[in-house]
Amino acid sequence: DTEVTQTPKHLVMGMTNKKSLKCEQHMGHRAMYWYKQKAKKPPELMFVYSYEKLSINESVPSRFSPECPNSSLLNLHLHALQPEDSALYLCASSQAGGTNEKLFFGSGTQLSVL
Amino acid sequence: AQKVTQAQTEISVVEKEDVTLDCVYETRDTTYYLFWYKQPPSGELVFLIRRNSFDEQNEISGRYSWNFQKSTSSFNFTITASQVVDSAVYFCARRGGQLTFGSGTQLTVLP
Repeated sequence: DTEVTQTPKHLVMGMTNKKSLKCEQHMGHRAMYWYKQKAKKPPELMFVYSYEKLSINESVPSRFSPECPNSSLLNLHLHALQPEDSALYLCASSQAGGTNEKLFFGSGTQLSVL
Repeated sequence: AQKVTQAQTEISVVEKEDVTLDCVYETRDTTYYLFWYKQPPSGELVFLIRRNSFDEQNEISGRYSWNFQKSTSSFNFTITASQVVDSAVYFCARRGGQLTFGSGTQLTVLP
């Protein structure tokens, strides 16, 4: 099983809503990532978890709150988002977070903030 | 920042044509890794290849081939006999620490 599964595939939310994005992998990977991708742009790194600990936060606003409940799951909690936060949110995993590792990506959650 | 440049924003070819996607990178690292990913309309980024900075051998995998030239900091990707299913956005990326993507090339293969 070489899949990274993300739910939901699409999400529409208002600026006062609270929602969560979910990501799951069963490859035994110990590094998990959140990326944000705007239309016609490359993915931009948001957060990295290594062995369930947050190791990188790329100066992401606090309205985005990541959580790694266990080695297979990664959540991204959303609260009081702005319309400019509308984007494709991609989850990825890799073996342990080493520089030489390839990342396995999910299909993403397309988020629209109204 | 150590950039990855994909100068071709969009390329359109007719099926069965060969097409080369260019990638130029900047790096101050001695050890680094280069990647190509494909992003079809479904959104998932699909890994295609990884090369390390010490291995300049070109690689061929079916219709795909890659030309890594350290002297020009380039890592170009060629699709031979393109097919409609090759239509996607292709990203070149470099990893010294975290993965840094180029801006991507939208490839459209017309029937």
